[in-house]
Amino acid sequence: QVTLRESGPALVKPTETLTLTCTFSGFSLSSSGMCVSWIRQPPGKALEWLARIDWDDDKYYSTSLKTRLTVSKDSSKSQVVLTMTNMDPLDTGTYYCARTSRHAFRFDPWGQGTLVTVSS
Amino acid sequence: NFMLTQPHSVSESPGKTVTISCTRSSGSIAGNFVQWYQQRPGSSPTTVIYDDDQRPSEVPDRFSGSIDSSSNSASLTISGLKTEDEADYYCQSYDSSNHVVFGGGTKLTVL
Repeated sequence: QVTLRESGPALVKPTETLTLTCTFSGFSLSSSGMCVSWIRQPPGKALEWLARIDWDDDKYYSTSLKTRLTVSKDSSKSQVVLTMTNMDPLDTGTYYCARTSRHAFRFDPWGQGTLVTVSS
Repeated sequence: NFMLTQPHSVSESPGKTVTISCTRSSGSIAGNFVQWYQQRPGSSPTTVIYDDDQRPSEVPDRFSGSIDSSSNSASLTISGLKTEDEADYYCQSYDSSNHVVFGGGTKLTVL
């Protein structure tokens, strides 16, 4: 059974850097073809893809957020880490990680999500 | 980047059939696979259709997906509507530059 779980701070201040960790089980990010993505959802709004990291350490980022995002992995710990710099209240939302298919960007399954609020 | 446009909301009665559209603004809808996700309130999204028209084994066959190159759009059709189908539905695709786009979501009400 594949599971993913996001963890990180529930509250960050404007201009601070957010660091989120995705801990997963049921698959290995060392295995060819495996990928993990981050997706977020502001309250009451649509989903927005942020980043993807592949088993071979290739990384892909949202064009609009590229300058603020960094994704990394620790395959031995089954973890993927997302950092987002210069946080703004508009970045408030639920952040999800999801296993991702390399050939079609299918996100399945998703973690339960973690709500991040940006406020002073 | 391209956009995926969905109706904001649709509603239908139990037992009926509803279709949700997803129109791609640029680039061919047939050029990259389309996925559909169901998101119930307070829950994470789950896949109901992947690779345009494939259904995960756990999803009832009342759910089906298709693409139409003439309108450059994808569609999710749910037949025999049940109250449990009430949720937000998102289409999603990508392009050759690995840009991923979600549609704006459609709220399905089963009344």
